[in-house]
Amino acid sequence: QSVLTQPPSAAGTPGLRVTISCSGSSSSIGSNTVSWYQQVPGRAPKLLIYSNDQRPSGVPDRFSGSKSGTSASLAISGLKSEDEADYYCAAWDDSLSVVFGGGTKLTVL
Amino acid sequence: EVQLVESGGGLVQPGGSLRLSCAASGFSFTNDNMNWVRQAPGKGLEWVSFIANHGRIIYYADSVKGRFTISRDNGKNSLYLQMNSLRDEDTAVYYCSRTHPAVWWLPDYWGQGTLVTVSS
Repeated sequence: QSVLTQPPSAAGTPGLRVTISCSGSSSSIGSNTVSWYQQVPGRAPKLLIYSNDQRPSGVPDRFSGSKSGTSASLAISGLKSEDEADYYCAAWDDSLSVVFGGGTKLTVL
Repeated sequence: EVQLVESGGGLVQPGGSLRLSCAASGFSFTNDNMNWVRQAPGKGLEWVSFIANHGRIIYYADSVKGRFTISRDNGKNSLYLQMNSLRDEDTAVYYCSRTHPAVWWLPDYWGQGTLVTVSS
């Protein structure tokens, strides 16, 4: 199965905005929706964004998602120290599998 | 409150077998598709397997196909993962997850995981 590509790390200053990219293929992001998870070390992942840009109830509107072609992005505005975590993108692949990105470790400076 | 509690993890030798269980409560298990997802120590998330609510549609990652079997018992609100011919690279925390109501394949709510260690 294909794997989605994310930068291994990202960093941002409190109060500012940071974006994390996710690159896939025509069989994954190109033809299916993208979701994003937040994972604090030692905890289970938490769904942040589904269907490209939808937030589950309880997720602050500081988190937003977008998709274009075979790529997607997660944006976090008004960065807070509590946002420091690992972030993963995910999509359905037409080879009949769920594919995840390798994860991006976000550091709040 | 949605609860997913995994069990059955532990230390097993290469080539051995293990059966993971996931007890579900707080939602209509019969109506929901389920996934197993794993995470090797210090590594990212890796999808393992999907089973539809009725159990008749099943998918596996290539890395486990032919060795792992997913199943469910809707009468017992339980999900299972039978793991055979285990390899060192199967060492991971295994999470069971309920799928999102609007996205049929998407892991939504996750359990806390159970650790499987394959080592001699």
